Amino acid sequence: DGGITQSPKYLFRKEGQNVTLSCEQNLNHDAMYWYRQDPGQGLRLIYYSQIVNDFQKGDIAEGYSVSREKKESFPLTVTSAQKNPTAFYLCASSIGEETQYFGPGTRLLVL
Amino acid sequence: GQQVMQIPQYQHVQEGEDFTTYCNSSTTLSNIQWYKQRPGGHPVFLIQLVKSGEVKKQKRLTFQFGEAKKNSSLHITATQTTDVGTYFCAGPVTGNQFYFGTGTSLTVIP
Repeated sequence: DGGITQSPKYLFRKEGQNVTLSCEQNLNHDAMYWYRQDPGQGLRLIYYSQIVNDFQKGDIAEGYSVSREKKESFPLTVTSAQKNPTAFYLCASSIGEETQYFGPGTRLLVL
Repeated sequence: GQQVMQIPQYQHVQEGEDFTTYCNSSTTLSNIQWYKQRPGGHPVFLIQLVKSGEVKKQKRLTFQFGEAKKNSSLHITATQTTDVGTYFCAGPVTGNQFYFGTGTSLTVIP
C-alpha cells in the first residue's frame, strides 16, 4: 500500500525544546516538501528537496531545519528559534511538477 | 515575488446552488493543479490543467485554465454537502517549488 506517512499525529512542545516531525514515503518520488498551515489559511512552504542530500529553503524556513539522507525520508525539526510553532504541518512528495501527494499531517501544540 | 491569490476566501451556499472559486497568479504557470481539503484532513489532488484555455470536467466540477496561463477557476454545479471543504489551486515555479493559493472555504447549508 503506497503513500506518505507522518508521525506523530499530535505533538506537544515545551518552551526551548526542539522537536522532530517524521515524514516517510514509499512512492519512489524524488521531490519532497514541508508546508505549514495555520487555522483558516493556506499552505506556506517551509523547505523542499528535489533529490537526496539536497534541499532548499521555502518562504518561511526560519526556525526550522531538515535533512534528506534517504529518498524515502524527509524529517523536519522545529527548533527553539521558531517562536510561534503551533500549526498543522503537512509533508508532500511529487515527481517533478506533477501531482503532490500529502501525508495526513502533524498538529504541533506548544505547552 | 510569486503570489497565487484565490477569491473568495469563504463561500456559504444553499445545497443545490452553484459555486465558483477563482485563482490568479502573478506569473505564468506551466500547469495548475487543484486540491480539496476536507475539514481536519489533508489536501487531496483533484486535477491538473496544462494547456492554455483548457477545460476539464469531473461530474459536477468544471475546471478552466486561462488563455494566458495565469488564472484558473473551479465551478461546482448543484452543490452537495459532500462538497464541503477548502479548495486550493497550486502552480509550480522554478525548481519544482509549488505555490499554493490562499484557498476558498466552502460551506454548504442543507
